[in-house]
Parts: sequence; C-alpha cells; structure tokens
Amino acid sequence: EAQVTQNPRYLITVTGKKLTVTCSQNMNHEYMSWYRQDPGLGLRQIYYSMNVEVTDKGDVPEGYKVSRKEKRNFPLILESPSPNQTSLYFCASTLYPGQSSYEQYFGPGTRLTVT
Amino acid sequence: AQSVTQLDSHVSVSEGTPVLLRCNYSSSYSPSLFWYVQHPNKGLQLLLKYTSAATLVKGINGFEAEFKKSETSFHLTKPSAHMSDAAEYFCVVSDGGNTGKLIFGQGTTLQVKP
Repeated sequence: EAQVTQNPRYLITVTGKKLTVTCSQNMNHEYMSWYRQDPGLGLRQIYYSMNVEVTDKGDVPEGYKVSRKEKRNFPLILESPSPNQTSLYFCASTLYPGQSSYEQYFGPGTRLTVT
Repeated sequence: AQSVTQLDSHVSVSEGTPVLLRCNYSSSYSPSLFWYVQHPNKGLQLLLKYTSAATLVKGINGFEAEFKKSETSFHLTKPSAHMSDAAEYFCVVSDGGNTGKLIFGQGTTLQVKP
C-alpha cells in the first residue's frame, strides 16, 4: 500500500530533550516536506527536500533541523524542544513538486507536547 | 504571494441538507487549488483539486467545488450532508514554482447534526 508513515504518533517530552520524528514513504517520491498544524493557523511548512541531500527552509524553520540521506526517509529533528513547538506535525511527499497535478500524500500526523 | 481565506471557521448543518464551505484565494497567476479533509485524529485526505481544466471539479464522497476567477473563489459544496462528513476542511493553494509548498487556509470545522 502506498503510504507515508510517521513515528511516533504521540510524544510527550520535556524542554531541551532532543527528539527525532521519523517520516518514511514507499512511493519513490522525490519531494518530501514537513508541516506543523496549529489551531486557527492551518498548516505551515517547516522544511522541504527536493531530493536526497537537498533541503531548504519553509516558512517556520526556527528550532528544527532535517536531513535527507535516503530518498525514502526525511526525519525532523528538534535539538532543544521548547513549549512553543507543541503542535501536530505532518510529513508529506509527492513525485514532482512543480506539477500540482501530482497529489501530495500526507502522513497520519505526530502530536508533540513539550512541557 | 498566494494565499487562501476560509470565510467560516465553523459550519453547522443538519443531516440531509446542503453543505457550503467558502474559500477565497489570492494569486498572481492561474492557481492550483485543493480541498483537503481531516477527520478527527486522522491525517489529511485530498477531496478534490483544480488545475486549470474544468472549472467545476468533482471530488470524492459527493463533494464538488467551482473555480470562479471573477470572484477569486473556490467554494466546496455537497447536496446532502451525511454524519460521516463531520470533519475539518482545508482550502489549499499551491505556491507555484518548484518549491512544492502548499498554502493552507485556517480550516473550517463542519458539524453535522442528526
């Protein structure tokens, strides 16, 4: 089944404790990205990756890091989480980002709480 | 810059009555527009998309949207609401270029009453 998977689905952590949220897709997509969802704000892009070893900032990259060492994986790293990073996070992927006729597929989401 | 505005944060309808979720967009060129749905504690699912073909777009589960350039609108409709339609709906515009970024509206929560 074609899908985007994220782990963990739920995470409660404390301020300053480094964490990684994994994202994996099995569709051989070139493009992957991370969004965060906050009430009343919709989803905002954090980082995106056009291909292996190619990443770039989205609209809200502060406090986050990413890496793209393999095509299928795109982990989101919070080196020193803070309470304002409490949010619902989504990973997405698509084959060709410049052609909107190609659907973007979203993972199930990771709900992160930082206390 | 591209943007979308969802005109209602919350819409409540009775089962069997029509649904209208309103969306206005702003774009400097011919946009690609989407509606996504998010059921409680679920991920995002694509309902339909407009990519400069027919202006009336049919999606899954009986939903439709009409692209109106003169009104810069892309409203989502369904003739008859079902209880399972209760969810949050997002109007989305593609950023264009090659960044792949999707720009989301604030979301509209649809409540369906029995």
